[in-house]
Amino acid sequence: GAVVSQHPSRVICKSGTSVKIECRSLDFQATTMFWYRQFPKQSLMLMATSNEGSKATYEQGVEKDKFLINHASLTLSTLTVTSAHPEDSSFYICSASGAGLFSYEQYFGPGTRLTVT
Amino acid sequence: QKEVEQNSGPLSVPEGAIASLNCTYSDRGSQSFFWYRQYSGKSPELIMFIYSNGDKEDGRFTAQLNKASQYVSLLIRDSQPSDSATYLCAVPSSGTYKYIFGTGTRLKVLA
Repeated sequence: GAVVSQHPSRVICKSGTSVKIECRSLDFQATTMFWYRQFPKQSLMLMATSNEGSKATYEQGVEKDKFLINHASLTLSTLTVTSAHPEDSSFYICSASGAGLFSYEQYFGPGTRLTVT
Repeated sequence: QKEVEQNSGPLSVPEGAIASLNCTYSDRGSQSFFWYRQYSGKSPELIMFIYSNGDKEDGRFTAQLNKASQYVSLLIRDSQPSDSATYLCAVPSSGTYKYIFGTGTRLKVLA
């Protein structure tokens, strides 16, 4: 299957600081990338969808000024959590779909565990 | 509201048995269906997808789709303790590339 990487895998930051998470498709061109958040023992929650070169589409209730998404190329999307607070501590996972894959097929990155102290 | 439903489990099966995981969906327009496996603390991993009525086999896994009854299932033959995980059913929302996920079924394979 297709490979998606995320960096960093874990990050601890102080309250009020910003954190950037990178998501890369390694062996295909990702025309669409998705960002999810997952709290312990809960389902994946879609935060936003981004298409290369366009503004991200955020799900209802997700603050676009707090969670900045940039999909600058066909292999890279970034999520920046601005002014992080302890309640932003969660498991953030990206996924990607795109050229060469079956329509709607998504491959997930390994996730980034964010802890805000 | 389009929905995807799964029994949350846990579903416990003995090693070597067949595990049967079910998923129902509400949107009759749905065309493709995806099964993911998620180990605790890890991200989801695509197992297989199906878009035609009937069965699709891949190794120990078989996906079954019945569009008339709006259900899709995943069978795992010769279940192993390493198959213990949460299995997520995902259905693309019509007209978008976004998935609607079921809540997942937790499978425990007992050695």
